[in-house]
Amino acid sequence: GAVVSQHPSRVICKSGTSVKIECRSLDFQATTMFWYRQFPKQSLMLMATSNEGSKATYEQGVEKDKFLINHASLTLSTLTVTSAHPEDSSFYICSARALGRDEQYFGPGTRLTVT
Amino acid sequence: QKEVEQNSGPLSVPEGAIASLNCTYSDRGSQSFFWYRQYSGKSPELIMSIYSNGDKEDGRFTAQLNKASQYVSLLIRDSQPSDSATYLCASRRVNTGFQKLVFGTGTRLLVSP
Repeated sequence: GAVVSQHPSRVICKSGTSVKIECRSLDFQATTMFWYRQFPKQSLMLMATSNEGSKATYEQGVEKDKFLINHASLTLSTLTVTSAHPEDSSFYICSARALGRDEQYFGPGTRLTVT
Repeated sequence: QKEVEQNSGPLSVPEGAIASLNCTYSDRGSQSFFWYRQYSGKSPELIMSIYSNGDKEDGRFTAQLNKASQYVSLLIRDSQPSDSATYLCASRRVNTGFQKLVFGTGTRLLVSP
C-alpha cells in the first residue's frame, strides 16, 4: 500500500513555457500533499504544503505565482511551473500523507529540464 | 543550529557489518521521527517511523529514539552493497499547525563488498 505516482517522470520544455506535474495517491486518500525540489547533490527543499480543497501554504522564498499548486481531490495534486526558465530545472518530488496518519510517502519524482 | 542534524558522511562499512546512522534534533516539540532512504537520482523511500523512546525493529533495520537526549539512530544489520544510499532523518511535531517534516541533510552510506 501507500503508493504515490507522478507524471510525467521526465519533461523537457522551452524557456517561457509552462509545465504541469501531477501527483496521485493510488491506494489511499491524501488529505495533505507536499511538493519538494531537489538540485543535484543537494538536500530536499520543501516548496509548499497543500490540503485538499484549500490554498497551498508556500515556504518562504517560493514564488506562489510561479509555482501554482492545486489539490482538487483527495488523490490528486498538481504543480504548474509557469514561465519556466533554465534555473527552474530540477528534480520535483511530491509526497502525500493520509488523514490520521503520520507517515509521508513520496512519489518517484519528475525531472524537469528547461532549455 | 539546524533543527535536524546528520553527519553528511560518507560512512563506509564492509559488507555484513552493522551500519549505525545518527541524527539529533533541536525541537523538543518533535514527537514523530522517520528514516528515509534515497538512492542517487531517485526519490526518498520510507524505511521506518518511531514515536516512543526505545528500539523498534523491522527486519535488518532498528530505529532507536531517546527523547531526553534528542537523538534518533538507525542501525542496519548485515549491511549489503544495495544499502549504499543517502539516509535521511526527519522529525515532525504532532500538532495540527505543524504538518511538514523537517529533514536532515542526510548521511551517505557506502557498503563495500
